[in-house]
Amino acid sequence: GEEVAQTPKHLVRGEGQKAKLYCAPIKGHSYVFWYQQVLKNEFKFLISFQNENVFDETGMPKERFSAKCLPNSPCSLEIQATKLEDSAVYFCASSQGRGDRGGNQPQHFGDGTRLSIL
Amino acid sequence: AQKVTQAQTEISVVEKEDVTLDCVYETRDTTYYLFWYKQPPSGELVFLIRRNSFDEQNEISGRYSWNFQKSTSSFNFTITASQVVDSAVYFCALSEARTGGFKTIFGAGTRLFVKA
Repeated sequence: GEEVAQTPKHLVRGEGQKAKLYCAPIKGHSYVFWYQQVLKNEFKFLISFQNENVFDETGMPKERFSAKCLPNSPCSLEIQATKLEDSAVYFCASSQGRGDRGGNQPQHFGDGTRLSIL
Repeated sequence: AQKVTQAQTEISVVEKEDVTLDCVYETRDTTYYLFWYKQPPSGELVFLIRRNSFDEQNEISGRYSWNFQKSTSSFNFTITASQVVDSAVYFCALSEARTGGFKTIFGAGTRLFVKA
């Protein structure tokens, strides 16, 4: 599609439950990124993919967070055993990848999924 | 290490005033990209501009202009004749071009209030 599509828009889970968020990148974009924004503060990078391969996962909490980008499926971010502190808006972005002079293209962001942990 | 500093947490102006949002960045790389994004109250993130480290030309787009100064590591954003619809949080961001460094580092954002 022409836009990054994130579903659901809002997800409510009780503490300890699992949460799964989805992202369909723009068609033709080979890079997908996940960011966490808490309370409208700055964005925290979580993980990036180049096609279905993890490209950079330095921001991912080691224990409860996992993510996948499988062929012909939306990408997903899953949080096991959610905690109150996981409440945030999770943004997915996609980009074409490397651009001129080896640099990168702007990341196009989805509208985010607001995760509320009660 | 990469870092983006937006020292202004909140700015309040009256419609038609000009306003400049400051952005200072830190990077060890010679090749990098700088961005500005707008996040209106509705929450989505809107791409405004990308500037690469090789191009220090300033850019103007309608009422928006950007001043990139490598000597001071700054990439400031000016809105001329501000309007109420400009009220939003504005994020400056940095992305390095080295292999494996595609992630974008965002500043803390500047919340702009434009009053009628």
